[in-house]
Amino acid sequence: QVQLVESGGGLVKPGGSLRLSCTASGFTFSDYHMGWIRQAPGKGLEWISYIGFSSRTIYYADSVKGRFTISRDNAKKSLYLHMNSLRAEDTAVYYCARRIDYWFDPWGQGTLVTVSS
Amino acid sequence: SYELTQPPSVSVAPGQTARITCGGNNIGRKSVHWYQQKPGQAPVVVIYYDRDRPSGIPERFSGSNSGNTATLTISRVEAGDEADYFCQLWDSNTEHPVFGGGTNLAVL
Repeated sequence: QVQLVESGGGLVKPGGSLRLSCTASGFTFSDYHMGWIRQAPGKGLEWISYIGFSSRTIYYADSVKGRFTISRDNAKKSLYLHMNSLRAEDTAVYYCARRIDYWFDPWGQGTLVTVSS
Repeated sequence: SYELTQPPSVSVAPGQTARITCGGNNIGRKSVHWYQQKPGQAPVVVIYYDRDRPSGIPERFSGSNSGNTATLTISRVEAGDEADYFCQLWDSNTEHPVFGGGTNLAVL
């Protein structure tokens, strides 16, 4: 079945860096745009980035532009999010999701990133 | 940027009909998608393109979109429908997806 599994979350100090990974299975990864969406504790969903199938199309939310970098490796069926200059407000569960037309389905189970000293 | 407004909470008794709204400027001209998120779980799409249901989603879930309001309707509400519901659309001006703030559905 179609599945996305995130990894790489954890506790990091303000100003630090972290790389999240998302491994896909059950579908042809290279045929789909992929995205990252996060959810701060007790809050709503915030889209942060997506990438086209060949990596030529990339967009970021203003809140992470210049600090986060999205990338993918189609051969490894993997999506990445490199996060630099992390702030307390970046604390959230980070979900990867497959883009279908103009919505996201499915979503991974999420990985928690905590930015704290 | 485009903004979507949802009520923070909606309460309904079992067996009744819940209506969750998503407001936006001329939202009826856009396509709206809805997600259900149960505690500790990832969001799951329940309605796409205003009114289409993915396979596996009960017919009790339906959607509509007109004017400045999109609506997710859940008929014959069950205890298992308790969740947060989020609307989402794609802002063609920014090429960014936009999410509503979410509505917590409580089944009394």
